[in-house]
Amino acid sequence: DTAVSQTPKYLVTQMGNDKSIKCEQNLGHDTMYWYKQDSKKFLKIMFSYNNKELIINETVPNRFSPKSPDKAHLNLHINSLELGDSAVYFCASSGIAGSDEQYFGPGTRLTVT
Amino acid sequence: DQQVKQNSPSLSVQEGRISILNCDYTNSMFDYFLWYKKYPAEGPTFLISISSIKDKNEDGRFTVFLNKSAKHLSLHIVPSQPGDSAVYFCAVSSSGSARQLTFGSGTQLTVLP
Repeated sequence: DTAVSQTPKYLVTQMGNDKSIKCEQNLGHDTMYWYKQDSKKFLKIMFSYNNKELIINETVPNRFSPKSPDKAHLNLHINSLELGDSAVYFCASSGIAGSDEQYFGPGTRLTVT
Repeated sequence: DQQVKQNSPSLSVQEGRISILNCDYTNSMFDYFLWYKKYPAEGPTFLISISSIKDKNEDGRFTVFLNKSAKHLSLHIVPSQPGDSAVYFCAVSSSGSARQLTFGSGTQLTVLP
């Protein structure tokens, strides 16, 4: 049974479009995260939510907006997609706010053409 | 500016031998250190961690060493197995109201049969 799931796994879209990536965790964790893995393979934190409240918001464009309808879900909406948004996006969760051990989803490869 | 550096993008080791993966960090405020393992098309999975009050932590074939004065940590895998072939990321975090993980760029380990 998948602990952290993301949909879709692959997303190809054109510049200017708006898209969403969904994330769900069934671990009962309180904290969820979004990471971006760029072309240089660095994993960088974008957002963190604890019990539906934003606790980390790194410097990302306003075009990126996380939405947490409940503590088991953290979706990522991206408006006006740009070429530079192409990357792999990982969702993760942890049991304690800011816990060091995080469980990752399989990733969503976003390609903007 | 990279706070966490993994200077070896790749490492090849013969099966049965020891694999040593290295990681350097810049900020002495980091107090928790982790290693994650990642297979292609999957998310990173937690492997082993160490807090700054220790200099060694062992879990089966995996041992993490921490040298705080040198701001250096390493992961030893012995004996190495072909199934260990993956990308290994080190990650660090620091105490605070919103702990977050900062990742290195990863080292691709290939264990040759």
